[in-house]
This record gives sequence, structure tokens and C-alpha cells, in this order.
Amino acid sequence: EIVLTQSPATLSLSPGERATLSCRASQSVSIYVAWYQQKPGQAPRLLIYDTSNRATGIPARFSGSGSGTEFTLTISSLEPEDFAVYYCQQRQHWPPLTFGGGTRVEIK
Amino acid sequence: EVQLVESGGGLVQPGGSLRLSCAASGFTFNSFAMTWVRQAPGKGLEWVSSIHHNGETTYYTDSAKGRFTISRDISKNTLYLQMNSLRVDDTALYYCAKSAMANMNMYFDNWGQGTLVTVSS
Repeated sequence: EIVLTQSPATLSLSPGERATLSCRASQSVSIYVAWYQQKPGQAPRLLIYDTSNRATGIPARFSGSGSGTEFTLTISSLEPEDFAVYYCQQRQHWPPLTFGGGTRVEIK
Repeated sequence: EVQLVESGGGLVQPGGSLRLSCAASGFTFNSFAMTWVRQAPGKGLEWVSSIHHNGETTYYTDSAKGRFTISRDISKNTLYLQMNSLRVDDTALYYCAKSAMANMNMYFDNWGQGTLVTVSS
């Protein structure tokens, strides 16, 4: 089973700042990583797939990079609506599909 | 507009059974793999089970094997999860999710609002 480790667990930033979220895989998953955003009381929303492709309707301030075992989600300038929990997910080696434990981006 | 509406959750005693449903609309249901993902209270996302677009192949997390059965009724555009021998650690919000592309690419671009399963005596 591929274990995805996200860091940090919590990121405290102010609106307008840059957010950098990390996802590390226990073995190579090539480029097959997605990122989701989840706000309280809502279902997850797909942001990025295959490391760097933005899903439909996702603003350009969200970008993804990486390959192999190290992946990054960057939010270039935080908007008030971006404060949420973010999960990475891999699809290279499944079953099982696996998600990271999440990074909470909170207002500083 | 894609819509996924789950139902069937509730309070059940350990060892009991529930059948979750997910009514799908706004897309060609028999062209996309479908998946159940759960989230225990205050916890992260956990994949539970997936089914091919044609219903012929199914996949389960280890803890669900032998207890849960995923299925789909194309005539009703509905996804199901039959859950037997429920345990306290099955307590979670269960989401159904649609694959983002018409193959087994296993990213999820549409999710329902979830249905809550509580297993407690």
C-alpha cells in the first residue's frame, strides 16, 4: 500500500501570502497524484490531477508540481475562500487508492 | 449539471446491515467508474470501494472485503453499497464519487453530499 504523508499538518498564513503544501509518497507514484480541497461541511473538490493539471474551473493561483515521491501544491496568493483542508491522492498503485492525511490551511 | 445524491445512512448496531444508495444524474452513468469514499468524524478521507463503468469489476479496501458489496443499476442510474457485519469503526460519512474521465483514471471530479453511517450499541 502506498502511504502518502502530507506536511505540514497545519499551515497558518494570511490572505495574500503564498502557500506551499507537500505530499510525500512511500514509493514512486510517477505523476499520478491529485489534490482536493475540502471546506467544513462540504464534499471534497478536485483541484489538480496528474500532478499539475488544473481541474475544470480551478483558478490559476492553484498549481501543482513534482514527480516520483515528492509533490507540491502551491497557492500563489491566498484568497479568503482558500482556507480549508487539502488532501493529496494517488492512483498509480491501487487497490487501495490512498489519500494523504491532509493539511489544514488556516488564517493567521 | 452532474448530481450525486446519497441516501440510506443511519444508526445501526454492531453486526447490523445497511444499504447505501447514490442516485446519479447529469452524465452518462454507464460510462464512468464510481467509487465510495468515507470520512470518519474529524478524520481524513478513506477509499472504500470502486466499480467499473460496466459493473463487471469491483475493488475493495481490505477492511471491506467480505462485508461490503458495491453494485450499480444502470437502468436506475444508481450506485449501491451493501454493508453487512458493520463495526464501530465503520462509522463515517460515506460519499459517492464519479471518476473524472471515462476510464479507470480514479480521480474524482464530482462528489455527493454524503450519507452518515453510525454504528453504535
